[in-house]
Amino acid sequence: DGGITQSPKYLFRKEGQNVTLSCEQNLNHDAMYWYRQDPGQGLRLIYYSQIVNDFQKGDIAEGYSVSREKKESFPLTVTSAQKNPTAFYLCASSIVAGGPETQYFGPGTRLLVL
Amino acid sequence: AQTVTQSQPEMSVQEAETVTLSCTYDTSESDYYLFWYKQPPSRQMILVIRQEAYKQQNATENRFSVNFQKAAKSFSLKISDSQLGDAAMYFCAYRGSGSRLTFGEGTQLTVNP
Repeated sequence: DGGITQSPKYLFRKEGQNVTLSCEQNLNHDAMYWYRQDPGQGLRLIYYSQIVNDFQKGDIAEGYSVSREKKESFPLTVTSAQKNPTAFYLCASSIVAGGPETQYFGPGTRLLVL
Repeated sequence: AQTVTQSQPEMSVQEAETVTLSCTYDTSESDYYLFWYKQPPSRQMILVIRQEAYKQQNATENRFSVNFQKAAKSFSLKISDSQLGDAAMYFCAYRGSGSRLTFGEGTQLTVNP
């Protein structure tokens, strides 16, 4: 089955700790995205990548880092510099070929701070 | 910068009835795409319907249809014959040039049996 997987489903972070959220897709999509969702708010873009070895900051990149070494994978690291990391994190992917470039989403990871 | 506004934080509808969710957006671009996504309690984001701005015909997907008013920058979602499984948070989203999506704040839809 083609799709987007995110792991883990739940993640706990201690103060001062870096944690990495996994996102993998087998849809052969070029572009991948990371969003943060807080209660009562819409999704906010953290980082996105349209091609391997290249990525751009979104609206709330501070305290986060990403890499794109493989087309299928786009891991997100929440660093200790992110002072309020508790949120729901969604990964998405899309083709880059003009047109609507519809984004399809993974099931999400909930990050909680201990 | 583009903004997307959903003015109805919560809506409710009786099962089998019709409900309309509102969305307005602000843009200076002429070519863009609009989307409605559904987020059920599982929190998985599911594409409901999309509309290309250059198309005058409103998009339809089974019980879901949109009323796209380009001049008014309005993009409402109509759900006909509402079902219990339609209960979810609904997000309107905009994509202009580039790949970035801009989301509204969402409308929580309750379906009453």
